[in-house]
This record gives sequence, structure tokens and C-alpha cells, in this order.
Amino acid sequence: QVQLVESGGGVVQPGGSLRLSCAASGFTFSSYGMHWVRQAPGKGLEWVAFIRYDGSNKYYADSVKGRFTISRDNSKNTLYLQMNSLRAEDTAVYYCANGEIAAPFDYWGQGTLVTVSS
Amino acid sequence: DIQMTQSPSSLSASVGDRVTITCRASQGISNSLAWYQQKPGKAPKLLLYAASRLESGVPSRFSGSGSGTDYTLTISSLQPEDFATYYCQQYYSTLWTFGQGTKVEIK
Repeated sequence: QVQLVESGGGVVQPGGSLRLSCAASGFTFSSYGMHWVRQAPGKGLEWVAFIRYDGSNKYYADSVKGRFTISRDNSKNTLYLQMNSLRAEDTAVYYCANGEIAAPFDYWGQGTLVTVSS
Repeated sequence: DIQMTQSPSSLSASVGDRVTITCRASQGISNSLAWYQQKPGKAPKLLLYAASRLESGVPSRFSGSGSGTDYTLTISSLQPEDFATYYCQQYYSTLWTFGQGTKVEIK
């Protein structure tokens, strides 16, 4: 069955960096686009970034553009989110999910918590 | 960006009730709409896509309808396991956006 397992979350100071990973299994990772979605404590869902199956196209929410970078290693079935210049408002549970352009998000990981605090 | 507005933001209902949640897009999205269910501490789960198509394994008491900018999620007979928060999402644009969520609580 499809499994998406996020890791790399933790506590970081404002202005700091963190890299999240999402290990995929149970499907052909290299054939699917992937997303990052976040959810601040007690709040709704916010889409963060998308990468096409081959890494050829990437899209970002305005709130993270220029600070976050999405990437993937299809040889390792792993998705990444490099987060730089972190702010308090980036505090959230970060989920990875698979999905294509013009398609819903089929499967989600369990999430990893990022806390930006001094 | 396409803004998604859900209503109500919360509702109280009893087991067996019919529940309707609406979602309005700020521009036409050509049925490129999904509904997700999220329970506390869990990841969202896809319920419906293309406005009205049921995801595999989702009970038939869930249904969706709508077109253009206005869409609806209906639960025909609310069950105890349906108490959760529901989100609509448009995937018409490559700036994917979600509604703010509707929390369905027990009356």
C-alpha cells in the first residue's frame, strides 16, 4: 500500500533553516508529482509547493517563494523541502502528498511538526 | 489566486442527520474540486474529486455536486465516524487552494 513518511521536523530559531524529507513506498514514485502542504496549529490547510514527477517544473505558494525549495531524488524515492529564513508563521505540521497538475491529492503522509521559536 | 470560501465554518448535528457543506470559488474552476476529511491529529483523506466522483472505499452516504463556482458536499445520514473537519480544494490552478474548513460536531 502507499506510504508517505515525513521526517526532519523540529524546533528552529527564526532565521534558521531546516530540511524535511518524505520517504515514499508502495507506488512508482518517479511517475508522480508531489506536494508539500502545511497546517498551522488549530488552523486550516495551506498548500506550500509542488514538483513534477521528473523535477522539471516547480510551483510555490507566495508565502514561501524565495525561501523554500522543493526537490526530489527518484533514485531514493524521496521528496525534500529545504526551508530557509524561517519565520514564526512557518510553524506548522508539514505533510507530503502525491498528486499531479489538475488532479487531487491522493495520499498524504502523517506529517512532521516544525516549530519556529526563539 | 483562486479563493475558496466554505460555509458554515462549523455545525452541530446528530447521528442520522443530513448535512450539507458549501464551497464557493472566486472564479470558475470547471469541476476541478476535491473534498477531504480530517480527524484530529490525522492527515486529511480524499473523499471526492471532480466535484462528484467518490474516491474508492468512501461510503456512498457522501456525495458531491455543483458546477462553475458553487459546490456542495452532502452526507446523507451522518454516522459517528463522520464527525471531523471537511475541506474543499480547487486544483484548477497551479496555485492550489483550500477552503477554511467546516467542523462537524456532535449535537
